[in-house]
Amino acid sequence: SQTIHQWPATLVQPVGSPLSLECTVEGTSNPNLYWYRQAAGRGLQLLFYSVGIGQISSEVPQNLSASRPQDRQFILSSKKLLLSDSGFYLCAWKLGGRAPLHFGNGTRLTVT
Amino acid sequence: GESVGLHLPTLSVQEGDNSIINCAYSNSASDYFIWYKQESGKGPQFIIDIRSNMDKRQGQRVTVLLNKTVKHLSLQIAATQPGDSAVYFCAENGVSGNTPLVFGKGTRLSVIA
Repeated sequence: SQTIHQWPATLVQPVGSPLSLECTVEGTSNPNLYWYRQAAGRGLQLLFYSVGIGQISSEVPQNLSASRPQDRQFILSSKKLLLSDSGFYLCAWKLGGRAPLHFGNGTRLTVT
Repeated sequence: GESVGLHLPTLSVQEGDNSIINCAYSNSASDYFIWYKQESGKGPQFIIDIRSNMDKRQGQRVTVLLNKTVKHLSLQIAATQPGDSAVYFCAENGVSGNTPLVFGKGTRLSVIA
């Protein structure tokens, strides 16, 4: 069966520090991969998605970037965090076509 | 742009009663819809999906109804339990299989014991 791993679960970082959140998927090949952010009590904001290695689509211009160095690895990065980067970050995967998204357990990022 | 929206942001239901969570969508080209449940501090969890060639689909204690005429989607939960308390999101996928899902804002379901 397929599983998605996302870490760390929680992270506290100072303003101006770098960020690297990693997500890996097991048990499938060539998944579509996604990064979402969720503010407290709010909906899901799509940040980036990828339909293949090295292919990244950005939905919202901001202080973040994404990379897909391997088929089942998706990384969310920032060179210098802002206070506004605080939030709940969710990685997700799906197969192509009409298929549901499967989410990881998220990373709670607090920028201080 | 087109989006998926929800009629009610919060819903309180007595334990044992049935719950109905509604969702309106605006993209008439959408042909695949999904319901998610998100518990506090966790990622959204897939509940049930439905394709546009169906009007109704049932799962364990849940039923999704699709009315394409009025572009309305609903999630019915039978015999609501305290463990059903969560935020529920609907989502649609209409343009192509690789187009990201469009999520609604979510409805918080509170079950009163």
